[in-house]
Amino acid sequence: SQTIHQWPATLVQPVGSPLSLECTVEGTSNPNLYWYRQAAGRGLQLLFYSVGIGQISSEVPQNLSASRPQDRQFILSSKKLLLSDSGFYLCAWSVAFGTGDEKLFFGSGTQLSVL
Amino acid sequence: KQEVTQIPAALSVPEGENLVLNCSFTDSAIYNLQWFRQDPGKGLTSLLLIQSSQREQTSGRLNASLDKSSGRSTLYIAASQPGDSATYLCAIESNTGNQFYFGTGTSLTVIP
Repeated sequence: SQTIHQWPATLVQPVGSPLSLECTVEGTSNPNLYWYRQAAGRGLQLLFYSVGIGQISSEVPQNLSASRPQDRQFILSSKKLLLSDSGFYLCAWSVAFGTGDEKLFFGSGTQLSVL
Repeated sequence: KQEVTQIPAALSVPEGENLVLNCSFTDSAIYNLQWFRQDPGKGLTSLLLIQSSQREQTSGRLNASLDKSSGRSTLYIAASQPGDSATYLCAIESNTGNQFYFGTGTSLTVIP
C-alpha cells in the first residue's frame, strides 16, 4: 500500500532563517506531488506541484521554492523565512492525471511558526 | 479560475441527526470532485471521489452527490456520531489535471 511521510510535525524558526521540509511517498511510482499551505481559518493554497523529477510548477509568487530530486521525494525550502510564512504545510500525492482515479492523499502536515 | 464555496462554515447538530454539507463551484468543466475530512492539526483524509461522469458515490453512512450543470455537490451524513466531528472540505480537480481547488470547509460538531 502507498504511504506518505512528512516531517517535521512542528517547527519554530526565527525570521530570516532557512527552511527545509521534506516529503516522501512509498508504494507508488511517478506520482504527482503537491505542497499546500493552510492558514488559520482559511482554505488550502496550492504552492507547488510536480509531475516528475526536476519538474516544478509554482502557483503563487512567494518566498518559497520546491525541488524534486528523486521520483518520490519533494522538498519545500526557503533561504530566509518571513513572518508571513507561518502556517500549516501539507504535502500530498496523486496518481498521474488521466488514470481515472486521481484521489489526493495527504501527509500529516507541518505546523510552522516563524517568530 | 475555479472558485469553490462551502456553506455553512460551521454546523452543530445533536447526535443521531442526518445532515447535509454543501459545496458549490463556478466552472462546470471539472474532472472529478473529492470530499475530505480534516481533524484538528492533522492532514486531510479522502472520503469520497466522484468522477465527472458520475452522479453520486456512497461509503457507509456517507453519500456524496454531484450536479455539474448547477455547480453543486452535497455530502450527506446519516445518523451522525460524535466521532464525525471534524472539518469537511470539498475539492475540484480541473479538466487540465494537476490542479485541485479547495473550498474553505465546514466545521462540523456532533453533540452527544
